[in-house]
Amino acid sequence: GAGVSQSPRYKVAKRGQDVALRCDPISGHVSLFWYQQALGQGPEFLTYFQNEAQLDKSGLPSDRFFAERPEGSVSTLKIQRTQQEDSAVYLCASSLRQVTETQYFGPGTRLLVL
Amino acid sequence: GNSVTQMEGPVTLSEEAFLTINCTYTATGYPSLFWYVQYPGEGLQLLLKATKADDKGSNKGFEATYRKETTSFHLEKGSVQVSDSAVYFCALHSWGKLQFGAGTQVVVTP
Repeated sequence: GAGVSQSPRYKVAKRGQDVALRCDPISGHVSLFWYQQALGQGPEFLTYFQNEAQLDKSGLPSDRFFAERPEGSVSTLKIQRTQQEDSAVYLCASSLRQVTETQYFGPGTRLLVL
Repeated sequence: GNSVTQMEGPVTLSEEAFLTINCTYTATGYPSLFWYVQYPGEGLQLLLKATKADDKGSNKGFEATYRKETTSFHLEKGSVQVSDSAVYFCALHSWGKLQFGAGTQVVVTP
């Protein structure tokens, strides 16, 4: 595609529900990143994939957060038993080859946990 | 650890005014530095970048120079337009991750 796409754009969940957020990177991009952006803050790194391999998950805030990219293209970020503090915008980014290259961001998924 | 500090907003300017947004960083080694912009209702867009000391990134009339001696990457534009109203993020790239500042909101009035 022309850019990184994410779905859904908005998600409202009740506390305790599980949610799944999808990211479609730019076609052919090897590296994929997830960030969390709280209101009024800069994005914070969550995790990074190179193809299907998850090479860094140091930013995932708890074991309720899980990300996968099984075929090296589309990625899903899953949050189990959502809490109010999980409310944020979740951003996905991709880069062409190596991790050092420019990252291109999607529009984000705004998650609100009630 | 690494960190990025940028000036707090909002910064309110009149059209055609000069804009400076300060950004300083702390990092081991020599990371690449970036400015991203987030227009209202849109996603993050890369504005410019610099990969080594003394490099100047430029785009859409914006400029920033990678200053190793002062660990800074200040963003400047000589004459802003209403369409430049947005939130601007300074970021450094280290070990595959982008580390962002908190963002600076810029409001340009006609």
